[in-house]
Amino acid sequence: SQTIHQWPATLVQPVGSPLSLECTVEGTSNPNLYWYRQAAGRGLQLLFYSVGIGQISSEVPQNLSASRPQDRQFILSSKKLLLSDSGFYLCAWRSPPSGKTYNEQFFGPGTRLTVL
Amino acid sequence: GENVEQHPSTLSVQEGDSAVIKCTYSDSASNYFPWYKQELGKGPQLIIDIRSNVGEKKDQRIAVTLNKTAKHFSLHITETQPEDSAVYFCAASRVFGNEKLTFGTGTRLTIIP
Repeated sequence: SQTIHQWPATLVQPVGSPLSLECTVEGTSNPNLYWYRQAAGRGLQLLFYSVGIGQISSEVPQNLSASRPQDRQFILSSKKLLLSDSGFYLCAWRSPPSGKTYNEQFFGPGTRLTVL
Repeated sequence: GENVEQHPSTLSVQEGDSAVIKCTYSDSASNYFPWYKQELGKGPQLIIDIRSNVGEKKDQRIAVTLNKTAKHFSLHITETQPEDSAVYFCAASRVFGNEKLTFGTGTRLTIIP
């Protein structure tokens, strides 16, 4: 079966500090990977998605970046955090698109980021 | 692009009663509609989905209905229990290719014991 891991679970960082959040998926190959952000009490905002190693699509302009160094590893980074970067960051995966698959996305447990 | 609206934003029901959450979408090419349940501090969990070739799908106490003509779909929870308390999100997507899920804004469901 497939599992998705995120770490750290919680993070408190000062404004201007760097950020690195990691997501890994087990039990599947060549998944599509996604980073979402959820502000407190709000919906899900898609930040980045990746269809393969080194392939990153950005959905919103921001000071965050994403990388996919390995097939099942997705990293969210920032060089300098802003207060507005606080939120709940979720990684998700789906099987690669084919004629038999629908867009079933499965989420990780999330990382709670607080920028002070 | 796709736009998904979800109502109500909050819903309180007595334990044992039914709860209904409704969503509308704008892209007539969308044909995959999942529902997610998010408990406090956790990631969303896919609980049920419906595809455009069916009008209704049931899984024990939960069911989803789809009206493609009117472009709306609904989540029905019967015989609600305290553990049903959570935030529920609907979403819509086209099927083929690297399509993105467009989410509704969520419904906070509270089951009153």
